[in-house]
Amino acid sequence: KNQVEQSPQSLIILEGKNCTLQCNYTVSPFSNLRWYKQDTGRGPVSLTIMTFSENTKSNGRYTATLDADTKQSSLHITASQLSDSASYICVVSVEAGTALIFGKGTTLSVSS
Amino acid sequence: EPEVTQTPSHQVTQMGQEVILRCVPISNHLYFYWYRQILGQKVEFLVSFYNNEISEKSEIFDDQFSVERPDGSNFTLKIRSTKLEDSAMYFCASSYQGVSRNEQFFGPGTRLTVL
Repeated sequence: KNQVEQSPQSLIILEGKNCTLQCNYTVSPFSNLRWYKQDTGRGPVSLTIMTFSENTKSNGRYTATLDADTKQSSLHITASQLSDSASYICVVSVEAGTALIFGKGTTLSVSS
Repeated sequence: EPEVTQTPSHQVTQMGQEVILRCVPISNHLYFYWYRQILGQKVEFLVSFYNNEISEKSEIFDDQFSVERPDGSNFTLKIRSTKLEDSAMYFCASSYQGVSRNEQFFGPGTRLTVL
């Protein structure tokens, strides 16, 4: 069964600190992996999209990595800001499919 | 910047009633999707729609659900006879190409509460 697992479930960090979120997936055949940011009560917003051949992709203070061999991805947030407080969701798509498979997300709280 | 819009933002209905959730996708997008998120759980795929027909649907999308593109701009999700367990946030999304090639843009969601 296609699944996406994320860790940790929640994380609290101080403003200005860095953090790394993890994602493991068992999705086949793999097409691409995305990281989304979801603010409470809002729709997900895409941060990065990576295909099989991409190992890393950055979007400002967000850097995602992908190891397609071990089926793992990480999202690194640098110099966190209060506005980074949100749920970060790892999402995988299947080749030739239209559905996105969502992880449950990591809830990040950035405090001052 | 173009965005996906959804109405209403919150819908309250009685069990057994029909509801229609509305979405206006980004204007040049060709693929449309509905997802739902039960409170505290992950987002789940319901259905994708392309060229006026369903491309793919999940096991959640049973006979109680239907989708329609009634005109050139709207995309709707109908639940014929709502159940308590249909209470969730429903997100519409659209993309220019199929998901394996293109980013999906999500709307702000409609919170459905079934009493």
